[in-house]
Amino acid sequence: SAVISQKPSRDICQRGTSLTIQCQVDSQVTMMFWYRQQPGQSLTLIATANQGSEATYESGFVIDKFPISRPNLTFSTLTVSNMSPEDSSIYLCSVDLKGFGNTEAFFGQGTRLTVV
Amino acid sequence: DQQVKQNSPSLSVQEGRISILNCDYTNSMFDYFLWYKKYPAEGPTFLISISSIKDKNEDGRFTVFLNKSAKHLSLHIVPSQPGDSAVYFCAASEAGTYKYIFGTGTRLKVLA
Repeated sequence: SAVISQKPSRDICQRGTSLTIQCQVDSQVTMMFWYRQQPGQSLTLIATANQGSEATYESGFVIDKFPISRPNLTFSTLTVSNMSPEDSSIYLCSVDLKGFGNTEAFFGQGTRLTVV
Repeated sequence: DQQVKQNSPSLSVQEGRISILNCDYTNSMFDYFLWYKKYPAEGPTFLISISSIKDKNEDGRFTVFLNKSAKHLSLHIVPSQPGDSAVYFCAASEAGTYKYIFGTGTRLKVLA
């Protein structure tokens, strides 16, 4: 398994501002993922972040709104830019330890974001 | 289009009885399925998985059944314990991909 730490665990932000969420893993991993869980909804993949390359975004998510950094094999950040109340969600970092899919993914505790 | 569906948003079960959580999917390319448990203010925790080459996988009190022809999987918890009270998500992925598609979750409450 992996220990995944996310910061902050929660925040309340003003609309129009940006928030950067950090994800730290206790081991080196190739694949890191960012998910969003809107209230009452399922977890939706925002993007996949590989070290040394640009993140790959899912349909409906764009780099300008959700820029991602992946400076090394144990760390990633997700920024939620120019926030609106619709961005109020839980944001989750996830890793695939084995790096080839079809295995369990491990999740951080999540960042609960409220935009007012 | 919701490819993974959990049609029961909530379920209540008496302690010691069996809990059965259901999940349906529409994408025939899915070949790996997982169940996660989520407590409030925590991230999802992996419970059990099953590959499409199997129809059953068991781990202690947890058993997952897969019916490929019906595109249906279920999670059985027996006996249910109060500590099992949580939201359960099923998830699916296609071969060779890293993308997991999640259902909307079922909130299980085990009554003491």
